[in-house]
Amino acid sequence: AQKVTQAQTEISVVEKEDVTLDCVYETRDTTYYLFWYKQPPSGELVFLIRRNSFDEQNEISGRYSWNFQKSTSSFNFTITASQVVDSAVYFCALSEERPPGANSKLTFGKGITLSVRP
Amino acid sequence: DSGVTQTPKHLITATGQRVTLRCSPRSGDLSVYWYQQSLDQGLQFLIQYYNGEERAKGNILERFSAQQFPDLHSELNLSSLELGDSALYFCASSGGARHTGELFFGEGSRLTVL
Repeated sequence: AQKVTQAQTEISVVEKEDVTLDCVYETRDTTYYLFWYKQPPSGELVFLIRRNSFDEQNEISGRYSWNFQKSTSSFNFTITASQVVDSAVYFCALSEERPPGANSKLTFGKGITLSVRP
Repeated sequence: DSGVTQTPKHLITATGQRVTLRCSPRSGDLSVYWYQQSLDQGLQFLIQYYNGEERAKGNILERFSAQQFPDLHSELNLSSLELGDSALYFCASSGGARHTGELFFGEGSRLTVL
């Protein structure tokens, strides 16, 4: 069975601080996808990144960066120079690799509530 | 805008009642997923449909049912509602021509059962 653990439940930082959100996953599959989603106070779920299990390269997108380490089953998310607009709940998720139409549902972690204070 | 449309956005009803939540997937997407988000349970997968057929079932109660219609929109029916059914219900879609694994979520339907 798949499992995603986000041990941090709430994090509060002051604007311009760097913050890392941790994600640890469990799966028996050798091929899988990892995701991060953001849920701002307005409630919608916004897709941030997808990474497949064969691609361990770290990725940077502006102030966001992701560190995927298969050896520790972790997919951590770092926000550099945080801003108030980064305040949201962040979810890490995992899915098996399946062709379209098959069972490719996402298993989500419990989410981390990030508060960025001015 | 994800391209997934959910209605209604908000719904208030009483215990014992029945409601229907509607979802229109992104153009070209064949899969529809329903998730329930409550404060204590997080995001729970309920059910998935692909091109009209049920493909996967999660923690969906027997009082709940869903279907996907020929035009690919989906409905989630919740009956004999209880206070604990109050939650944010998300629909997501995927499986278009360039399916890359991520799900695209609607803005959710917030159900309050009084």
